Amino acid sequence: DGGITQSPKYLFRKEGQNVTLSCEQNLNHDAMYWYRQDPGQGLRLIYYSQIVNDFQKGDIAEGYSVSREKKESFPLTVTSAQKNPTAFYLCASSIAGESYEQYFGPGTRLTVT
Amino acid sequence: SQQGEEDPQALSIQEGENATMNCSYKTSINNLQWYRQNSGRGLVHLILIRSNEREKHSGRLRVTLDTSKKSSSLLITASRAADTASYFCATDAYRGGTSYGKLTFGQGTILTVHP
Repeated sequence: DGGITQSPKYLFRKEGQNVTLSCEQNLNHDAMYWYRQDPGQGLRLIYYSQIVNDFQKGDIAEGYSVSREKKESFPLTVTSAQKNPTAFYLCASSIAGESYEQYFGPGTRLTVT
Repeated sequence: SQQGEEDPQALSIQEGENATMNCSYKTSINNLQWYRQNSGRGLVHLILIRSNEREKHSGRLRVTLDTSKKSSSLLITASRAADTASYFCATDAYRGGTSYGKLTFGQGTILTVHP
């Protein structure tokens, strides 16, 4: 089955700790994206990558970091510098370029206390 | 300010009725997409309409795009309880070159269809 997976589904961390969220796809897509969703809100773009070993900041990149060492994988690290990290995080992938639909993973709900 | 604002924020209807959601945006676009999200899940792509298209159909879905008014609407006909979800529009803004598929999402419309 082709698809995009995120793990874990729920994640709990103490304030001050870095945490890495996993995102893997087997759709052979070049482009991958990370979004944050807060309750009752739309999605906000954190980082995106159009090709391996390259990525760009989205609208709310502060306090986050990413890597893109493999085409299939685009992990997101939520650092202790992120002031309000509790949120629902969604990863997506697509064919690179414009006018293509994005395929979303099931999301990871991160709670930091 | 945010590109892509949906209206209404919430819509409650009976099964069998039609549901109409609207989306407004501020800048020129390459395309506009509609996505659906069930509670606590990822988004699912519904339909993409390009800036040179005015209307598109997919099953019970009908999307219109009016670039002069910078607005789009999503119509779901003969709604079912299973259509209950949040619906988001997303715009791929025109930047005079390759946009790299960077989408900007609205805040969504919560649709509730009562059996």
